Amino acid sequence: GDSVTQMEGPVTLSEEAFLTINCTYTATGYPSLFWYVQYPGEGLQLLLKATKADDKGSNKGFEATYRKETTSFHLEKGSVQVSDSAVYFCALSALGWGGSEKLVFGKGTKLTVNP
Amino acid sequence: NAGVTQTPKFQVLKTGQSMTLQCAQDMNHNSMYWYRQDPGMGLRLIYYSASEGTTDKGEVPNGYNVSRLNKREFSLRLESAAPSQTSVYFCASSEARGQNYGYTFGSGTRLTVV
Repeated sequence: GDSVTQMEGPVTLSEEAFLTINCTYTATGYPSLFWYVQYPGEGLQLLLKATKADDKGSNKGFEATYRKETTSFHLEKGSVQVSDSAVYFCALSALGWGGSEKLVFGKGTKLTVNP
Repeated sequence: NAGVTQTPKFQVLKTGQSMTLQCAQDMNHNSMYWYRQDPGMGLRLIYYSASEGTTDKGEVPNGYNVSRLNKREFSLRLESAAPSQTSVYFCASSEARGQNYGYTFGSGTRLTVV
């Protein structure tokens, strides 16, 4: 079945450090790929997405490229800020039940950025 | 603001009590979902509704029931709460018949069962 594996955390970085959170997936067909972010005490928010191979999603300085050959969608940011401290979820989308959209989530990676 | 609204935000129940978690969306989405989030477990799907008038079980449906009241509203009921149901509950919605949209989430209900 469809699945998403992302690097386990927690990840702790200093401000202005480079961030990479790895995400790989297994899927039949050609899923869309997403990164969601969850700030403390809040729900999940869509951070970025890519809908086909070689697409790059970007938002708020974060980027991820859909790599079909390696089935990966790694999240990167060149210079993290304290305000980026959150939990990050990788997800894939497939056509699911009754025509609905079925999102499969990774377990999440907690990022803490220290000043 | 457009989005998914969940009520209540916090709730404490005694074992055996019942309650209903409410969820409403104003984006005219067809599909709605209920998840629970527990430490180290990620998000687990409880129930979903692909369209108005339909509901179906997800990964962890035991101890819960749902009602898709209309296109906007999707409620989750705990008939007899147990400590194992202490969790954060999220409602989400999405367009149907597409793979490119992702979900919109509510801000969650933090439930403690004592």
